[in-house]
Amino acid sequence: GAVVSQHPSRVICKSGTSVKIECRSLDFQATTMFWYRQFPKQSLMLMATSNEGSKATYEQGVEKDKFLINHASLTLSTLTVTSAHPEDSSFYICSAGTSGGRRQYFGPGTRLTVT
Amino acid sequence: DQQVKQNSPSLSVQEGRISILNCDYTNSMFDYFLWYKKYPAEGPTFLISISSIKDKNEDGRFTVFLNKSAKHLSLHIVPSQPGDSAVYFCAASAFSAGGTSYGKLTFGQGTILTVHP
Repeated sequence: GAVVSQHPSRVICKSGTSVKIECRSLDFQATTMFWYRQFPKQSLMLMATSNEGSKATYEQGVEKDKFLINHASLTLSTLTVTSAHPEDSSFYICSAGTSGGRRQYFGPGTRLTVT
Repeated sequence: DQQVKQNSPSLSVQEGRISILNCDYTNSMFDYFLWYKKYPAEGPTFLISISSIKDKNEDGRFTVFLNKSAKHLSLHIVPSQPGDSAVYFCAASAFSAGGTSYGKLTFGQGTILTVHP
């Protein structure tokens, strides 16, 4: 149980285009989903927290107009990187948590490369 | 401000021996701690967790110890196996001020564990 999927696993896009990453909880309902990014050999940095049906809460320094998050259902959250630039190239990971639960279950990650 | 720190970037252990991974934290509001295992280009996999009301939690070969006064936790793996080779992250969370579970995790920098056959 507690499986989280991400799609796509790998994407290459041109500078200036937008990319959407999907995060799904497959066997449980996720009231809260989290989006992280990880740079090579570094820790996971929380970008934002999204709760189903409400606006996402962004961490300090994360541009909410650039990283659009939608959590339209209890099993799906999306992260859209708008007007992507090479510095947005990174490994993006989502996680999902359940109501009252303290654990987060992570997706397999999405490798974004902006050329 | 690094609220969760893993001061050892890497650890090398012989198969069958004990692996001890350490983690320190500074935020006294943290009351739930987790260890995750991660392979390159994959998401972290949950290993074990501990609440601040406990000082030890065991699950098979994995044991987590919490020393609240020292703000220190450790993960023991006994016996270590080559398949345990990965990056290990500790993470911590705190309840929100309203008393409802918030769930936001703060991660350490990770420790690369290598278990030699």
